[in-house]
Amino acid sequence: DVKVTQSSRYLVKRTGEKVFLECVQDMDHENMFWYRQDPGLGLRLIYFSYDVKMKEKGDIPEGYSVSREKKERFSLILESASTNQTSMYLCASSSSGWTGGNTEAFFGQGTRLTVV
Amino acid sequence: SQKIEQNSEALNIQEGKTATLTCNYTNYSPAYLQWYRQDPGRGPVFLLLIRENEKEKRKERLKVTFDTTLKQSLFHITASQPADSATYLCALGGNNRLAFGKGNQVVVIP
Repeated sequence: DVKVTQSSRYLVKRTGEKVFLECVQDMDHENMFWYRQDPGLGLRLIYFSYDVKMKEKGDIPEGYSVSREKKERFSLILESASTNQTSMYLCASSSSGWTGGNTEAFFGQGTRLTVV
Repeated sequence: SQKIEQNSEALNIQEGKTATLTCNYTNYSPAYLQWYRQDPGRGPVFLLLIRENEKEKRKERLKVTFDTTLKQSLFHITASQPADSATYLCALGGNNRLAFGKGNQVVVIP
């Protein structure tokens, strides 16, 4: 069974902390994505990566960075967590030849992050 | 600006009936359109993909239409069951992005 696994289901962090959200996929996918999901705003793309060490900004990259040192792992970093980053974070992956939506995306179970 | 619109009101439907959801978009020319199902507290799960040159796609009790002239997709669940209760998201693909609508909740009443 194919899987995208996020390291934590729930996380509580303090304002100003550096936060790492980890995502691992076992499908040998080239493309990986980080979204956040907020009520009334839907899913918004933060960053994506189409290869190891490659990354591209999504629609809301401010306050975030990413790291992809290995093909199977994509990390989202909150450099200095703020309360407006309280959200559900979703990692996804898709297979090669991605041009945007031409293949399905597989999502992890999500990390609900609360910044206090 | 680009917009993807799904009905924010939940659709309550009797078991056995057909549920129909709408996804409208503006300022997009998507090459692909996808539908996902999301249960509370979980990540979205892919259901169907339809290409811009396809009018209709079916999978079991699900049917999707894609009208690039109207800029609209319709998502149908036939013979709905209580287990179909969830939020359904449409997503538009192209230009290396997959952009999601806010989702439309479906509640199937036994």
